[in-house]
Amino acid sequence: DAGITQSPRYKITETGRQVTLMCHQTWSHSYMFWYRQDLGHGLRLIYYSAAADITDKGEVPDGYVVSRSKTENFPLTLESATRSQTSVYFCASSDMGLGINEQFFGPGTRLTVL
Amino acid sequence: KNEVEQSPQNLTAQEGEFITINCSYSVGISALHWLQQHPGGGIVSLFMLSSGKKKHGRLIATINIQEKHSSLHITASHPRDSAVYICAVRSAIKGGADGLTFGKGTHLIIQP
Repeated sequence: DAGITQSPRYKITETGRQVTLMCHQTWSHSYMFWYRQDLGHGLRLIYYSAAADITDKGEVPDGYVVSRSKTENFPLTLESATRSQTSVYFCASSDMGLGINEQFFGPGTRLTVL
Repeated sequence: KNEVEQSPQNLTAQEGEFITINCSYSVGISALHWLQQHPGGGIVSLFMLSSGKKKHGRLIATINIQEKHSSLHITASHPRDSAVYICAVRSAIKGGADGLTFGKGTHLIIQP
């Protein structure tokens, strides 16, 4: 399917477990982003990536790890999940290089940490 | 203090009313986005603007760079416009390469 997809869409896990959220885009966009959305905070940037093998921290990176071995994939890993990481996670992509720099958002992953 | 402030936080109106949602920001920006999010749904980009005014159907977005202020207007509002509207800005320093900074959103309900 064309576009940007996230998996799983819903995930329940326990404190201390490792969880990986997947993000895949088919446009070959150079930039990809992970945001989390929480009541009272709105959307906040966790990590972003300018290209394969280039990643950088956003506003709230603690407790998260990212990698980008291929342009189309940008997985987000919670190494040891905590209750405070219960949130809705959105992946987004953008092709800054061509000036077409609108951001396209995935459908979101709702994560609950018990 | 949040760099992007939206008002109002909540707005309930009757079908057909003219709606205005405001966004003020405190940083230098390269562009401003208006996004829409339906309950339980994904996020859709409505507008991306760096100056002036844009119109799409019943939606109009304006920006005043000098005053660091943007407005989103909905004419002839309809219950299907009920959603959360989010203002987001791209930093002037990196042009948005480091992601967007978001307002907390305006929850709009249009009653029939």
